[in-house]
Amino acid sequence: QVQLVQSGAEVKKPGASVKLSCKASGYTFTNYYIHWIRQAPGQGLEWMGIINPTGGSTTYAQKLQGRVTMTRDTTSSTVYMELSSLRSDDTAVYYCARSSGYSELLDYWGQGTLVTVSS
Amino acid sequence: QSVLTQPPSASGTPGQRVTISCSGSSSNIGTNYVHWYQQLPGTAPRLLIYRNNQRPSGVPDRFSASKSGTSASLAISGLRSEDEADYYCAAWDDSLSGWVFGGGTKLTVL
Repeated sequence: QVQLVQSGAEVKKPGASVKLSCKASGYTFTNYYIHWIRQAPGQGLEWMGIINPTGGSTTYAQKLQGRVTMTRDTTSSTVYMELSSLRSDDTAVYYCARSSGYSELLDYWGQGTLVTVSS
Repeated sequence: QSVLTQPPSASGTPGQRVTISCSGSSSNIGTNYVHWYQQLPGTAPRLLIYRNNQRPSGVPDRFSASKSGTSASLAISGLRSEDEADYYCAAWDDSLSGWVFGGGTKLTVL
């Protein structure tokens, strides 16, 4: 069965960076794009960007340009998302999700990773 | 401020029918499919409705949805206590080249 398994919770200080992972299984890794979406406490969903696992090309939300980097490792079917210069308002649950096409529906989601930014 | 607009809350008693609206613009709902997600407390969003009105396997037919112009709506009939959750609409936005979501509607079963 399709699974996206994310890394564990992180606590970071303001100004630090965090790198999260999303390991895919149960399907052909390179056939699906991976997106990252975050949800601040008690808030809605915010799309962060997308990576094409085949070539590694990325598109990031304008708001996060310059602070977010998405990479992939095809040998382990894992996608990584690094967010730098962390601020308190980056505290959120971060989800990865897959789609069969660039703008196709997000059909399977990871379980989420809580990132807490606090001094 | 979310790009898609949803009411923050909705409620109903068991057995009732409730609807949740989602309003967008020509660059998102007006041109692309609308999808709906259900998020139970402490869990990841789960795909509930895709491509405006299609149900994934395993989703009861009590859930239905429609789209007209730049708006969409989700309907839940025969309301059950386990339907208590947050519901989000989503659509691809051609202007932003990214996904946009509603702010979420918290459904309470009284």
